[in-house]
Amino acid sequence: RKEVEQDPGPFNVPEGATVAFNCTYSNSASQSFFWYRQDCRKEPKLLMSVYSSGNEDGRFTAQLNRASQYISLLIRDSKLSDSATYLCVRSNAGNMLTFGGGTRLMVKP
Amino acid sequence: EAQVTQNPRYLITVTGKKLTVTCSQNMNHEYMSWYRQDPGLGLRQIYYSMNVEVTDKGDVPEGYKVSRKEKRNFPLILESPSPNQTSLYFCASSPGTLGQPQHFGDGTRLSIL
Repeated sequence: RKEVEQDPGPFNVPEGATVAFNCTYSNSASQSFFWYRQDCRKEPKLLMSVYSSGNEDGRFTAQLNRASQYISLLIRDSKLSDSATYLCVRSNAGNMLTFGGGTRLMVKP
Repeated sequence: EAQVTQNPRYLITVTGKKLTVTCSQNMNHEYMSWYRQDPGLGLRQIYYSMNVEVTDKGDVPEGYKVSRKEKRNFPLILESPSPNQTSLYFCASSPGTLGQPQHFGDGTRLSIL
């Protein structure tokens, strides 16, 4: 089993839709979690950190459930510019990152 | 401007010809790391460094070397490149404090013929 697993998609949604991605992890010693966004073969860019209490940044909401070992990302009012691959990332105590395979989102007009 | 700079951005070379991909960051970050990204396999860590003169293997270190003689630089060395090292490579850095995200360079696309 991979340490960080994501549904690869693609998720095809119309503009304005709400879409949610889940990510599961297997290492309970994982310390920190992030969502990164990656456009086609460009560098990953931090979208947001994920906290146990949940956090929101504009149209984006991230949640962490340590008991069930999953992370979620909710995108409201999808824009065409949201089309990208979303990477779920966990960090251990040594700051080593483990990436999920990514979930591809395509927002259509 | 805070950034991680990789060079070259693109390289086509032949099997066995030693090459070095440079990585430099101007943010005084302690932690630096190299990843490769391959279709279907995602991003995998090659080597990382917690500070000057401290380097450790990641998930896929075979065939690679690194060094960290100065804080800002973390070169990736392929002593004898092989075709299975054809990939997209990213360098990243972070302050090193637990929970801090990493900043990525623009990537280096290597093709080994």
